[in-house]
Amino acid sequence: DGGITQSPKYLFRKEGQNVTLSCEQNLNHDAMYWYRQDPGQGLRLIYYSQIVNDFQKGDIAEGYSVSREKKESFPLTVTSAQKNPTAFYLCASSRSGNQPQHFGDGTRLSIL
Amino acid sequence: AQSVTQLDSHVSVSEGTPVLLRCNYSSSYSPSLFWYVQHPNKGLQLLLKYTSAATLVKGINGFEAEFKKSETSFHLTKPSAHMSDAAEYFCVVGRRNYGGSQGNLIFGKGTKLSVKP
Repeated sequence: DGGITQSPKYLFRKEGQNVTLSCEQNLNHDAMYWYRQDPGQGLRLIYYSQIVNDFQKGDIAEGYSVSREKKESFPLTVTSAQKNPTAFYLCASSRSGNQPQHFGDGTRLSIL
Repeated sequence: AQSVTQLDSHVSVSEGTPVLLRCNYSSSYSPSLFWYVQHPNKGLQLLLKYTSAATLVKGINGFEAEFKKSETSFHLTKPSAHMSDAAEYFCVVGRRNYGGSQGNLIFGKGTKLSVKP
């Protein structure tokens, strides 16, 4: 079955540590997205990529970084500069433009 | 500018009774509109989408939504709630083009649906 795989499901970060969240899709979608979800705030866009080797900052990009070296993969690094990283992180993909986005099952990041 | 407002943060219904989740949108052109559902600790699943064809859109699991341009609304309904419908629901507006830091979709803040036995 085609879909989006996020790993790990749960992740813990120590102070001063960078951590990387994985997102892989086999839907052959051009566009990929990272969202952060906090209770009562809906989804906020961190970064998105419309095509390989290109990406744009979303509303809350500070303290995060991404890469898009392959069409299938869009990893998100939560750096030590992100002072409040505890949240549920969702990766999504779409063909392009106004097409619906397909979501992974998320990674829950917590601070140790 | 485009925006979307979900009018209720929490809706509670009894099993077997109708469900109504309200959504208003703002758009300078005919928008694409979506409803997504999220069960606890899961990703979002597309329920239905409106893309300027029929104004009454049928989705999965018995849900449907009606696009009303005059009221700028896209409310989600279901005739009879089931316990498995308990989840959070998001109304989403699609941009015609990517919108800078907001990407191509604008999400409402969500409505949590509780279903009582």
